[in-house]
Amino acid sequence: NAGVMQNPRHLVRRRGQEARLRCSPMKGHSHVYWYRQLPEEGLKFMVYLQKENIIDESGMPKERFSAEFPKEGPSILRIQQVVRGDSAAYFCASSPTGTNFNEQFFGPGTRLTVL
Amino acid sequence: DAKTTQPPSMDCAEGRAANLPCNHSTISGNEYVYWYRQIHSQGPQYIIHGLKNNETNEMASLIITEDRKSSTLILPHATLRDTAVYYCIVRGSNTGGFKTIFGAGTRLFVKA
Repeated sequence: NAGVMQNPRHLVRRRGQEARLRCSPMKGHSHVYWYRQLPEEGLKFMVYLQKENIIDESGMPKERFSAEFPKEGPSILRIQQVVRGDSAAYFCASSPTGTNFNEQFFGPGTRLTVL
Repeated sequence: DAKTTQPPSMDCAEGRAANLPCNHSTISGNEYVYWYRQIHSQGPQYIIHGLKNNETNEMASLIITEDRKSSTLILPHATLRDTAVYYCIVRGSNTGGFKTIFGAGTRLFVKA
């Protein structure tokens, strides 16, 4: 069973461009979580999605950031008009369905660098 | 989610047991204790979790006090590859899934 996959692993963007980060959860998982880790800091929750629904986006910046998890395909974290402060590692996690506890499995992350 | 308190760093000699403490005095009855670790530049790795009973798997053991206000993660024979930041997390469990609130963790240095 393949783990959580994220791509690209490294992404370089210039200020003002758009960044799209993809996350494919583990097979059979329909819960996806995105976290951001700034340099030398801990992980911060951003958003929690189930298929076609955003459940909790309390950690998402109000502007420029959006996330989706369509019925088919990976989850996408989209950052519009990137700024240098968006440079960070973005981790995706997934958890299984139908369980009464949720052990989250993390992907390797996408490291975004904004020039 | 309940907050946790961990020492910022610890050292351990290779081959010895590493005992990482965590305080979670405000834990509520339906909240589990989870441990993750993050090896430099990698994604967090799940280690173990428990509710009130002690737990053991191939990676570690988790000892939870009877009052559930603290716990200890034990790596029985630490290796250099166990050098990482270890996060103790308390989280409610439900079919809905919950965000994970990461604290600062404990930076474990395993030395030869």
